[in-house]
Amino acid sequence: DAGVIQSPRHEVTEMGQEVTLRCKPISGHDYLFWYRQTMMRGLELLIYFNNNVPIDDSGMPEDRFSAKMPNASFSTLKIQPSEPRDSAVYFCASKGGGLKAGELFFGEGSRLTVL
Amino acid sequence: AQSVTQLDSQVPVFEEAPVELRCNYSSSVSVYLFWYVQYPNQGLQLLLKYLSGSTLVESINGFEAEFNKSQTSFHLRKPSVHISDTAEYFCAVSGGAGNMLTFGGGTRLMVKP
Repeated sequence: DAGVIQSPRHEVTEMGQEVTLRCKPISGHDYLFWYRQTMMRGLELLIYFNNNVPIDDSGMPEDRFSAKMPNASFSTLKIQPSEPRDSAVYFCASKGGGLKAGELFFGEGSRLTVL
Repeated sequence: AQSVTQLDSQVPVFEEAPVELRCNYSSSVSVYLFWYVQYPNQGLQLLLKYLSGSTLVESINGFEAEFNKSQTSFHLRKPSVHISDTAEYFCAVSGGAGNMLTFGGGTRLMVKP
């Protein structure tokens, strides 16, 4: 399996622009997670899905952030409008076999810079 | 609620020296414990995990961690580090409803020649 695939790997945009990050989870995994990593706040869980349904979005910072999972093989995280404080590395991760303790598989991340 | 504290944000160490990265957790229920490693410009990868059974768990590259319930700790150790071990290490705990993973703040291990 190719692992969790994220795109783009790097994105530089200007404040106010819309940003869309994409994720393809590992085939057969039924949980998908979006994390944000910054130096100041470390690794933060933004939202997670189970069988394409959002379960907990309490980590989404504000209404400018939205996430969707239209099918089992694709998810997006959108920021509109973007702000400089959104600059971070955004990770997608997936997990199979139910949520009972097990391994999360992470993508390589999307590094976002908002100028 | 559960939380994870990694007491050291950075640990510098010379090559071939031993190292211990500390992790303490708090939880009101039984937990599962994990160490993840993040190499530069990469995502996190599972290093080792404790689910049940022997409290000492090992990874394939020489790291080990011991679950200590009385001290609520899961410290990561390696008797002799290599330059290639330079990375950030995250301790994580899951337990309770939903079994969500809670990550610590990470410890940056810097191995010097």
